Amino acid sequence: TQLLEQSPQFLSIQEGENLTVYCNSSSVFSSLQWYRQEPGEGPVLLVTVVTGGEVKKLKRLTFQFGDARKDSSLHITAAQPGDTGLYLCAGGRSNYQLIWGAGTKLIIKP
Amino acid sequence: NAGVMQNPRHLVRRRGQEARLRCSPMKGHSHVYWYRQLPEEGLKFMVYLQKENIIDESGMPKERFSAEFPKEGPSILRIQQVVRGDSAAYFCASSPETGAPSRNEQFFGPGTRLTVL
Repeated sequence: TQLLEQSPQFLSIQEGENLTVYCNSSSVFSSLQWYRQEPGEGPVLLVTVVTGGEVKKLKRLTFQFGDARKDSSLHITAAQPGDTGLYLCAGGRSNYQLIWGAGTKLIIKP
Repeated sequence: NAGVMQNPRHLVRRRGQEARLRCSPMKGHSHVYWYRQLPEEGLKFMVYLQKENIIDESGMPKERFSAEFPKEGPSILRIQQVVRGDSAAYFCASSPETGAPSRNEQFFGPGTRLTVL
């Protein structure tokens, strides 16, 4: 069974703090996606990384794909209440299969 | 461009009734995926379909659940004789036929929240 371990499961921090969310696996992925889901809505794709060691930035969010393409991290700088949501990582296998992490519920307190 | 559309957004059924959930993929997308999500949990893959074909239904219960994606019209997820344990949010996602397959990007609809009384 392929697993994608996501941590932490829950994180509650004050506005302005920094945080990092991790996704780890023993399997190699062809791609790694990060999604954010708000209550009552579907997941929204934030970024896709495909190359080992790749780093992508989206405003205050920095995404990194591990050199071996088995793990990834999402770092948020100076978190804001609008960053609150469920963050999901998903690893790509074959032409269509995605292996999903269990999600990190993030709450940013003003 | 219209995104993935799902309807209804909310569906209430009594035990034993049938639930039909509809999904219209993004324009130009011919691959559809259905997922189930319980509150405070991640996504559970159910089924992957291309036009008129079921490619992978490994995550879908063998009984009472079925899915189709006809040549014309939306994809349908059907749950027969619903039970309380079927209450969940059901999400549909779509992806394009062309493009880099290694990217595996899926685009999600807003979901249908099924409540079984």
